[in-house]
Amino acid sequence: EVQLVESGGGLVPPGGSLRLSCAAPGFTLSNFWMIWIRQAPGKGLQWVANIKQDGSEKYYVDSVKGRFTISRDNAKNSMYLQMNSLRAEDTAVYYCARDRDFYENKISYDAFDMWGQGTRVTVSS
Amino acid sequence: AIQMTQSPSSLSASVGDRVTITCRASQGIRNDLGWYQQKPGKAPKLLIYAASYLHSGVPSRFSGSGSGTDFTLTISSLQPEDFGTYYCLQDYNYPRTFGQGTKVEIK
Repeated sequence: EVQLVESGGGLVPPGGSLRLSCAAPGFTLSNFWMIWIRQAPGKGLQWVANIKQDGSEKYYVDSVKGRFTISRDNAKNSMYLQMNSLRAEDTAVYYCARDRDFYENKISYDAFDMWGQGTRVTVSS
Repeated sequence: AIQMTQSPSSLSASVGDRVTITCRASQGIRNDLGWYQQKPGKAPKLLIYAASYLHSGVPSRFSGSGSGTDFTLTISSLQPEDFGTYYCLQDYNYPRTFGQGTKVEIK
């Protein structure tokens, strides 16, 4: 079954660091933009960052700029999120997702068609 | 950042009912909008992309419409398995932004 598998979550004190990983055992990750999305406890979804197929473009939500870094290793078929200077408000389940292109009438649209199961990050002393 | 506002925040409906969820963007986003369903403790699933195209494997009772700033997700005949929270997402520009979600409960 095609899937995404996140790992690396855990409990970390404020100011600490954590590195999340996202593996794609069932497809070639290098063909897709990839995304990190998070969900704080009892809250809605928040897009965090994404990265182009070759890593040449990266975008972040303002609240994580300068603290989080998205990266990928296509040779390992994996994507990462390095999270530094963590704050209590970063506490969330972090999902990785695949951004797939859909073509309708020769126009390309993208949407997140595959998601991992999520990894929980708790920032607390 | 573009703000996405969904309404209602929650609803309760009976099996067989027609259910409509709306999503309004703070500025025009063409048809760069998707709809996602999330069940408790699970990852979201894609339902609709480009505002109106049904993702493969999604039941035909789901449909989407709209363009510009106003969008609608419709469930033509609510089924027991349709409980969960529904989110719209704009992919017009960065940062991508989700609506706050609409929780659907079955009466």
